[in-house]
Amino acid sequence: SQELEQSPQSLIVQEGKNLTINCTSSKTLYGLYWYKQKYGEGLIFLMMLQKGGEEKSHEKITAKLDEKKQQSSLHITASQPSHAGIYLCGADRSGTDSWGKFQFGAGTQVVVTP
Amino acid sequence: NAGVTQTPKFRVLKTGQSMTLLCAQDMNHEYMYWYRQDPGMGLRLIHYSVGEGTTAKGEVPDGYNVSRLKKQNFLLGLESAAPSQTSVYFCASSYFIGQGNNQPQHFGDGTRLSIL
Repeated sequence: SQELEQSPQSLIVQEGKNLTINCTSSKTLYGLYWYKQKYGEGLIFLMMLQKGGEEKSHEKITAKLDEKKQQSSLHITASQPSHAGIYLCGADRSGTDSWGKFQFGAGTQVVVTP
Repeated sequence: NAGVTQTPKFRVLKTGQSMTLLCAQDMNHEYMYWYRQDPGMGLRLIHYSVGEGTTAKGEVPDGYNVSRLKKQNFLLGLESAAPSQTSVYFCASSYFIGQGNNQPQHFGDGTRLSIL
């Protein structure tokens, strides 16, 4: 079962427009990771969030983790063709009896049109 | 640095055949993972390892076995391949700092496996 829900499943955005992807967990997130995947390739790490209320930015991409640590958002400002791909959120599910467990959302496919 | 290297990149098997996928990392990472990626399902954890000589089951372990005899290598085996195991398989590795403080995973480029 998917304990990490991503929305939307896919989106088409015009070049220059902003977009937001959400990742919601039914359980508290000890670590939330955002990755990007281009078709036919492996995953590229974007950002990691660990503290409630944390926000990180890199170039035109900003990721936030809410205070309750159950929801994260990824925001891209002024999208470019290079932002096209599949964005996945991943969560650290480590606990006292499950060190190393990791789980991913189903992914959001982003298409950037001219 | 090579990072995480997966071999082979592509493979076609017949139902019932066996094979081993190899993952090698040169970053001295403690943790290693095997995932499969299927359309609409995202990445699902098959097995993982928190150190040399240790392995643990993930979300979808049935039909797969793994071994971590050396810290840098993590092998995924299919004893009797089934069409349901057609997928793209990804290996990943990461440092371990402490409980609840896992570091980002580094991924290989994937192995595309088709079972006929």
